[in-house]
Amino acid sequence: SQQGEEDPQALSIQEGENATMNCSYKTSINNLQWYRQNSGRGLVHLILIRSNEREKHSGRLRVTLDTSKKSSSLLITASRAADTASYFCASTSGGSYIPTFGRGTSLIVHP
Amino acid sequence: KAGVTQTPRYLIKTRGQQVTLSCSPISGHRSVSWYQQTPGQGLQFLFEYFSETQRNKGNFPGRFSGRQFSNSRSEMNVSTLELGDSALYLCASSPGQGTHSGYGYTFGSGTRLTVV
Repeated sequence: SQQGEEDPQALSIQEGENATMNCSYKTSINNLQWYRQNSGRGLVHLILIRSNEREKHSGRLRVTLDTSKKSSSLLITASRAADTASYFCASTSGGSYIPTFGRGTSLIVHP
Repeated sequence: KAGVTQTPRYLIKTRGQQVTLSCSPISGHRSVSWYQQTPGQGLQFLFEYFSETQRNKGNFPGRFSGRQFSNSRSEMNVSTLELGDSALYLCASSPGQGTHSGYGYTFGSGTRLTVV
């Protein structure tokens, strides 16, 4: 079963706009991670946020975590066509540090 | 620094055959995890190896097996292939067990297995 579920399933925007993807999870987490996958390729780790952290930044990426709502969001600012990909959240919980992945959000950025 | 290397990149097999996939982790990484990705089920965890021992296992039948060698390279084997085994198989390495180290996974490009 999926621990995390991303929303929306698909997102289509113009270059220069911001893209926001959300992830909800069911049980308390140790950490939550975001990955990007270009079509048919492996996943690329973007950001890991621990349960005691609320916000992390990396370049144009900003991840927030709200443990009271069991949700996280990934914001990509000033999107580029090269950001077109699927974005996955993955969380670890309990005594396990094996991430369980959601179904992903498919992002298309039009030039 | 070389990334995670998976071989082969593509594979076509016939039902009933067996297949072995290989994964070389990043140098110094001791944990290798395997995932199966399909359009219907998404990313499903198969197993994790750390220091040559299987530490965690997902909910897959015994036809799926793996091993890890002393140099941390890992192989996974699928016996008696079924059509439903067609998928992208991804391996991921990390310095410690799972993502306990806090660094997240580094994934390989995957092996695309097609069973006909």
